[in-house]
Amino acid sequence: EVQLEESGGALVQPGGSLRLSCAASGFTLNNYGMNWVRQAPGKGPEWVSHISSEGIRIYYRDSVKGRFTISRDHAENSVFLQMNSLRVEDTAVYYCARDRSEVIDYWGQGTLVTVSS
Amino acid sequence: DVQMTQSPSTLSASVGDTVTITCRASRGISYWLAWYQQKPGKAPKLLIYEASRLQSGVPSRFRGSGAATEFTLTISSLQPDDFATYYCQQYNFYWTFGQGTRVDLK
Repeated sequence: EVQLEESGGALVQPGGSLRLSCAASGFTLNNYGMNWVRQAPGKGPEWVSHISSEGIRIYYRDSVKGRFTISRDHAENSVFLQMNSLRVEDTAVYYCARDRSEVIDYWGQGTLVTVSS
Repeated sequence: DVQMTQSPSTLSASVGDTVTITCRASRGISYWLAWYQQKPGKAPKLLIYEASRLQSGVPSRFRGSGAATEFTLTISSLQPDDFATYYCQQYNFYWTFGQGTRVDLK
């Protein structure tokens, strides 16, 4: 069974940093692209970042470029999102999501990031 | 950027009804479109990909159609478990979601 478990969400002040982790199980992480998708309270999902299966192709949405960094560690079966210079508008539930040929097919249950003073 | 616009925003229906949700892309995306179902406090669940392909395990009452800029999701014989919010998403140019359509009980 495919499982994705996020951790690392917290309350942080504007300008602060957080590192989200996603532990994958039930499939071979090497074979899939991975994404972070966020959802602000009462809003629709918003794609944040993608890393290809081999880690070569990395993409970010414009609003997080230069602040967020996605990475993956196949030995740990994990994907990470380093978030720096956090803003109030980054407040959301952050989901780790797998994609096969760009189709996002499985999501974790999410971790809440709240940016507030 | 590709913008995705869904209509209606809310749809009221009864068990057994057939409902249709429309999604429009701001530019052509071929058939690189997916539909998701989301229930409160849960992650989205993939229903349809490549505009009309049913994800494994999804009931056949869900049907997707369309190409280029116009897409629809049709749910036939609505079941109690189908009351939820539905999102379209393009994956032709990065990934963009629609704003959602909530299907609630009339």
